[in-house]
Amino acid sequence: SQQGEEDPQALSIQEGENATMNCSYKTSINNLQWYRQNSGRGLVHLILIRSNEREKHSGRLRVTLDTSKKSSSLLITASRAADTASYFCATTDSWGKFQFGAGTQVVVTP
Amino acid sequence: DAGVIQSPRHEVTEMGQEVTLRCKPISGHDYLFWYRQTMMRGLELLIYFNNNVPIDDSGMPEDRFSAKMPNASFSTLKIQPSEPRDSAVYFCASRYGMGNGYTFGSGTRLTVV
Repeated sequence: SQQGEEDPQALSIQEGENATMNCSYKTSINNLQWYRQNSGRGLVHLILIRSNEREKHSGRLRVTLDTSKKSSSLLITASRAADTASYFCATTDSWGKFQFGAGTQVVVTP
Repeated sequence: DAGVIQSPRHEVTEMGQEVTLRCKPISGHDYLFWYRQTMMRGLELLIYFNNNVPIDDSGMPEDRFSAKMPNASFSTLKIQPSEPRDSAVYFCASRYGMGNGYTFGSGTRLTVV
């Protein structure tokens, strides 16, 4: 079973627009991470936010975490065609178990 | 560091054959995870190890699947006998400690015909 549920399942935007995707989870977590996967490739770690943090930035990425709602969001600002990929949230619980959500497929058109 | 190394990259085998997938984690990483990815089920956690000890194998689909980590630098995932429904991309990932990101291998694309 998957820990995280993401929405939307798919997102299509134009270059320059912002892309926002959300992730909800069920159990208490130690941290939450976001990954990107290009078609047919492995997953690449983007950003990690710990359970005691509320917001984190990395370049054009902004992640928020609301542990009371058990949810997180990933915002990609000023999107580029190269941002086209699937984005997954993943949670680590207090035992070290790490599980992925279903992912959001993002398509950025020039 | 060369990252997490998986082999083979592609494997095509006949139903009923034994398949062994291999993973070399990043040196110094103490957690190792095996995942399976399919279109239907997405990314599924199969099993993970901490300091070479299996911690949670509840995701292993059935007894045909087994995983070992004989030392800190090597793990195997074995399927015996293989079935067409095992066709998927199998990823290995490793990390150090609880609060760090994971590094994934490039995956092994398994096709069972």
